[in-house]
Amino acid sequence: DIVMTQSPDSLAASLGERATINCKSSQSVLYRSDNKNYLAWYQQKPGQPPKLLVYWASIRESGVPDRFSGSGSGTDFTLTISSLQAEDVAVYYCQQYYISPFTFGPGTKVDI
Amino acid sequence: QVQLVQSGAEVKKPGASVKVSCESSGYTFTNYAIHWVRQAPGQRLEWMGWINAGNGDTKYSQKFQGRVTFTWDTSASTTYMELGSLRSEDTAVYYCARGAYNSGTYYHLDFWAQGTLVTVSS
Repeated sequence: DIVMTQSPDSLAASLGERATINCKSSQSVLYRSDNKNYLAWYQQKPGQPPKLLVYWASIRESGVPDRFSGSGSGTDFTLTISSLQAEDVAVYYCQQYYISPFTFGPGTKVDI
Repeated sequence: QVQLVQSGAEVKKPGASVKVSCESSGYTFTNYAIHWVRQAPGQRLEWMGWINAGNGDTKYSQKFQGRVTFTWDTSASTTYMELGSLRSEDTAVYYCARGAYNSGTYYHLDFWAQGTLVTVSS
């Protein structure tokens, strides 16, 4: 199985500050034939289901504010919140869908 | 608009089975797969597998192989997850989520249902 790790476990930042979350996969999730990274980011607020933010490592889902951006390739990925807002308080998960089982990272808790 | 709605909370005894339903609306049901993901209290999300709503093909995580079954009813745009031989460690919120697929490749999960709490307790 591909093991997903995230860092930090949690972070706290002020309103308007930048927040950066890292995700690492135990093997590459870049599929050479289509040059796509099979990596998604989800946001989960308390008592709610996860919400898709980013897929193919860097494509923002429709309706997601542009302060969220994803980057990286191969085994190392980053989710950046450029200007933290109160409504961004949540746990953020990365997930690889390169190979079954489609494993998730442990999550990063973001607070203000 | 796309909606996935799951059945209500369940309380089961160890050794029993549970069946959770997931009704889809707002899109062409057979054009997508439905994935099942669970989350034990305070734990990370755990992918259980998918069912292709177009042809009924299934893929199960090895962890649940032999204990979980996904089925579907196209006439009702509904998929089902049945987990047997329940133990206390299966206490979790179970989610269904929609995912696209193409030529045997399965993609990210773009819409999620509200979740169903399954409690296993004697």
